[in-house]
Amino acid sequence: KQEVTQIPAALSVPEGENLVLNCSFTDSAIYNLQWFRQDPGKGLTSLLLIQSSQREQTSGRLNASLDKSSGRSTLYIAASQPGDSATYLCAVKYGNKLVFGAGTILRVKS
Amino acid sequence: DAGVIQSPRHEVTEMGQEVTLRCKPISGHNSLFWYRQTMMRGLELLIYFNNNVPIDDSGMPEDRFSAKMPNASFSTLKIQPSEPRDSAVYFCASSFSGPNEQFFGPGTRLTVL
Repeated sequence: KQEVTQIPAALSVPEGENLVLNCSFTDSAIYNLQWFRQDPGKGLTSLLLIQSSQREQTSGRLNASLDKSSGRSTLYIAASQPGDSATYLCAVKYGNKLVFGAGTILRVKS
Repeated sequence: DAGVIQSPRHEVTEMGQEVTLRCKPISGHNSLFWYRQTMMRGLELLIYFNNNVPIDDSGMPEDRFSAKMPNASFSTLKIQPSEPRDSAVYFCASSFSGPNEQFFGPGTRLTVL
């Protein structure tokens, strides 16, 4: 069964800290992996997309890595800000189907 | 680009009523997805279309749910009759087919009383 797990479930950090969100998946036959951000009561905003042949992607203060063989991805957020507070979702693509993790709820305190 | 458009944004209805959710994908995208998000089960894929054809509807909960895509710029998800356990946020997403980025709409928050 294709399962995606995110750790931790929730995280609270002071402003300015660098932090790492973790995602693991059971089936390594992936097409790609996508990280999303979801604000309360809102839709999903795509942050980064890593293709199965890639090792990492960067966008501003965000860096996502992918280790397909071990079934892991990490999202690194540098110099966190209160505006980064949201739920972060990892989604793994199998064929044309995205399988989502339960998310990490991030709170950055000012 | 307006992004994926969903309507209505909020729907409150009574048990037994028919509910129709609507989605307009991003122009040019040929894959469309319907998801449901609940606290208990997270985000689940209900059905997806490729070039207006339903490819995988294995996530549709039961026969009360149906989805159509009559053309490349419009899709509907219908629940008939609705039940309180259908209360959730329903998202539509679109992409180019293949290993491409999916873009999500703002969702429809459905409450069935």
